Amino acid sequence: SAVISQKPSRDICQRGTSLTIQCQVDSQVTMMFWYRQQPGQSLTLIATANQGSEATYESGFVIDKFPISRPNLTFSTLTVSNMSPEDSSIYLCSVEDKAEDATEAFFGQGTRLTVV
Amino acid sequence: GQNIDQPTEMTATEGAIVQINCTYQTSGFNGLFWYQQHAGEAPTFLSYNVLDGLEEKGRFSSFLSRSKGYSYLLLKELQMKDSASYLCAVSRGSTLGRLYFGRGTQLTVWP
Repeated sequence: SAVISQKPSRDICQRGTSLTIQCQVDSQVTMMFWYRQQPGQSLTLIATANQGSEATYESGFVIDKFPISRPNLTFSTLTVSNMSPEDSSIYLCSVEDKAEDATEAFFGQGTRLTVV
Repeated sequence: GQNIDQPTEMTATEGAIVQINCTYQTSGFNGLFWYQQHAGEAPTFLSYNVLDGLEEKGRFSSFLSRSKGYSYLLLKELQMKDSASYLCAVSRGSTLGRLYFGRGTQLTVWP
């Protein structure tokens, strides 16, 4: 199964600043996904990151607020721009992994962001 | 859009069996995932169902009925470490890993 590394694991940021979260996978994957998990809530899909094209954003999320890069098949970044306390969440990246007899979708360990 | 519903909380005792239900209404249904999430940790993959029927994996089994928009996760021989949130997630369209999650079921296992 794919191993996903996220950096940073946590951060405390001032409102109005931006934070870039990195996601590194140990194998080449076509699709990478970014999710947000607000305190006490379930996961919400932010966008799908394709290599070589612009990310596809879900309803309620826009590129200006959450710009995404996908420079190659093993790496992606999510930037949380102009942060406010409402952006305090756990941000997770995910990849799908298709083996011969199984299909799985894995998550990184997440980035716990607190905006003050 | 999609409407994914699961109970908010459940409790059970060690050694028992518990069934966590998930109903969904969505277009372009591709498959259904179950995840386990302990507090402060990332979700851990448990199962993926694309065809109707039961998939068994050790103490955990997952069932899917596409026609009824219904799935359940069955946990047998419960252990204290099974206390966690269990997330039902629907995959839509051609992109398998593009998931839409229910609110999660917080399971508490008592001794």
